[in-house]
Amino acid sequence: AQKITQTQPGMFVQEKEAVTLDCTYDTSDPSYGLFWYKQPSSGEMIFLIYQGSYDQQNATEGRYSLNFQKARKSANLVISASQLGDSAMYFCAMREGRRTGANNLFFGTGTRLTVIP
Amino acid sequence: GAGVSQSPSNKVTEKGKDVELRCDPISGHTALYWYRQSLGQGLEFLIYFQGNSAPDKSGLPSDRFSAERTGGSVSTLTIQRTQQEDSAVYLCASSLQRSGHEQFFGPGTRLTVL
Repeated sequence: AQKITQTQPGMFVQEKEAVTLDCTYDTSDPSYGLFWYKQPSSGEMIFLIYQGSYDQQNATEGRYSLNFQKARKSANLVISASQLGDSAMYFCAMREGRRTGANNLFFGTGTRLTVIP
Repeated sequence: GAGVSQSPSNKVTEKGKDVELRCDPISGHTALYWYRQSLGQGLEFLIYFQGNSAPDKSGLPSDRFSAERTGGSVSTLTIQRTQQEDSAVYLCASSLQRSGHEQFFGPGTRLTVL
């Protein structure tokens, strides 16, 4: 089974509007971390936001917030007040906490966001 | 520089040749990761180094792939007898410690096998 599922291959949003990018995950590990990365056309991976499985509050970083619904195993990224520079691929990723020696990230297939002027 | 660097940025090779990809992590970062990103896909974990511990090689797709990390810093990913399906962007990342939240990624090496 896929550990990270992103069901939206592409999304469009009007500039200055908010957009939600979906992410669901699958793990039996009680300790895990969820990440969102942005990959512009230049190719670099840019860390956006992190949510730990034991965090009580949803993570926020500027215009980014993570809508963490643990029971539903979802970790949607909300971008408020979209800007043209937000156009990029967005990847959801998970790190499981318990497997010995494991600190690698499992990535979803990504969502391509296009901000329309 | 302050970030993770990788070289070369682009590599074109012929099927059957060996290639070496280099990663310089951020100074002081003890954890180093290699990922592969095929066209239009997410990132696929390859290998993970943490300090002097034995690397986690669970993501390597075949025995043609190997990696080493010398002196706990620079890492080299080697692909022997390259195949066309090895064509991808190979990304290196480093983090401060094993449980560090954030992995900092390099710009990647785009490998094309003809």
